[in-house]
Amino acid sequence: GAGVSQSPSNKVTEKGKDVELRCDPISGHTALYWYRQSLGQGLEFLIYFQGNSAPDKSGLPSDRFSAERTGGSVSTLTIQRTQQEDSAVYLCASSLAARGNAEQFFGPGTRLTVL
Amino acid sequence: KQEVTQIPAALSVPEGENLVLNCSFTDSAIYNLQWFRQDPGKGLTSLLLIQSSQREQTSGRLNASLDKSSGRSTLYIAASQPGDSATYLCAVQGGSEKLVFGKGTKLTVNP
Repeated sequence: GAGVSQSPSNKVTEKGKDVELRCDPISGHTALYWYRQSLGQGLEFLIYFQGNSAPDKSGLPSDRFSAERTGGSVSTLTIQRTQQEDSAVYLCASSLAARGNAEQFFGPGTRLTVL
Repeated sequence: KQEVTQIPAALSVPEGENLVLNCSFTDSAIYNLQWFRQDPGKGLTSLLLIQSSQREQTSGRLNASLDKSSGRSTLYIAASQPGDSATYLCAVQGGSEKLVFGKGTKLTVNP
């Protein structure tokens, strides 16, 4: 079946603009995660969804970042008033369950460049 | 706070060689450990997942071991090929649902 998909694959924006990044998880996966991969920083967790609720938002770096998930499927990560330090690859993952034998499958990512 | 370390940061080997990548983590209270590969400009491909109750997992030429008490995992790659060249990432899932990643080992297999 289809894997995790993300759109757009690349996004270039000007400082101060808002951006929306989309993630389509694998069908039937209840858990959805957003991570960010910055040059030299490695992969860092942003937010986790179980169904439509977000029990863990601890990784969101500021209140400019928000995310939602509707219908237990598609998720959107929104960054308001983008800054140059937001430039990174944003990766989405999904899994059948949240813990235990809960292999996470990743999408190809959205490369965000803030000029 | 969980920290994951991968050694070495980079490794270059000739084709055909067997090799071991190392991963260590500071908090042994984990649910599972997952190994990924990442090709340049691409997302992550899951290679192996080891549950906390398991000691090892095998997939083809790959074998991953887990010693939870000592906070260590190794990824063994047999008979390496140029197509194995990639960055290999180790990640652990602990008390929260998120994965905590190491910074990866960049592997180059030379023909």
